[in-house]
Amino acid sequence: DTGVSQNPRHKITKRGQNVTFRCDPISEHNRLYWYRQTLGQGPEFLTYFQNEAQLEKSRLLSDRFSAERPKGSFSTLEIQRTEQGDSAMYLCASSSGVMGLYEQYFGPGTRLTVT
Amino acid sequence: AQSVTQLGSHVSVSEGALVLLRCNYSSSVPPYLFWYVQYPNQGLQLLLKYTSAATLVKGINGFEAEFKKSETSFHLTKPSAHMSDAAEYFCAVSETGTASKLTFGTGTRLQVTL
Repeated sequence: DTGVSQNPRHKITKRGQNVTFRCDPISEHNRLYWYRQTLGQGPEFLTYFQNEAQLEKSRLLSDRFSAERPKGSFSTLEIQRTEQGDSAMYLCASSSGVMGLYEQYFGPGTRLTVT
Repeated sequence: AQSVTQLGSHVSVSEGALVLLRCNYSSSVPPYLFWYVQYPNQGLQLLLKYTSAATLVKGINGFEAEFKKSETSFHLTKPSAHMSDAAEYFCAVSETGTASKLTFGTGTRLQVTL
């Protein structure tokens, strides 16, 4: 069990640029989640996938944000035309989806700084 | 809709003292409840979970929590604090049966002093 991995760990970008983050879940976990965490706050749900299907999106996920999980394994989160308000820690989590095993395991996060 | 309230954004205890971190939830359906710990610049680590089995749940690192439906609470305790317990603690709720998104509280920063 190698855990959830996220790349890159840190990203600094200029306002208006596009950025893409990658998340590799725990193998055989069919559920994958994205959250955003700003300083001093708890993580806020953005979206989640069951296998390759995106089942729920938060209102926080504006049309500048898009997430994919093309083969039901890794996922990418893209932010287009970044704004300073996008600066945050982006967390990925996965869970097995098996009845009774609903806990989510989190990766180390990608910290985005928009200058 | 579901929500979590964590009373006390900062809690300070002496090493060896009891740790009590408070969490109250609101959910329209029976909830699943979780406590996570976050160390600086790291992701979240699961401490323990309640998924409608035993109401007293034991987790890692000596932590435990008790689900009290009548009080809509899920407070986290540890009998004796250790310096390594200093971190941010988050309570979270998800809905039974769907087990989809987690809704987190705003967190409690635990400081442990000598």
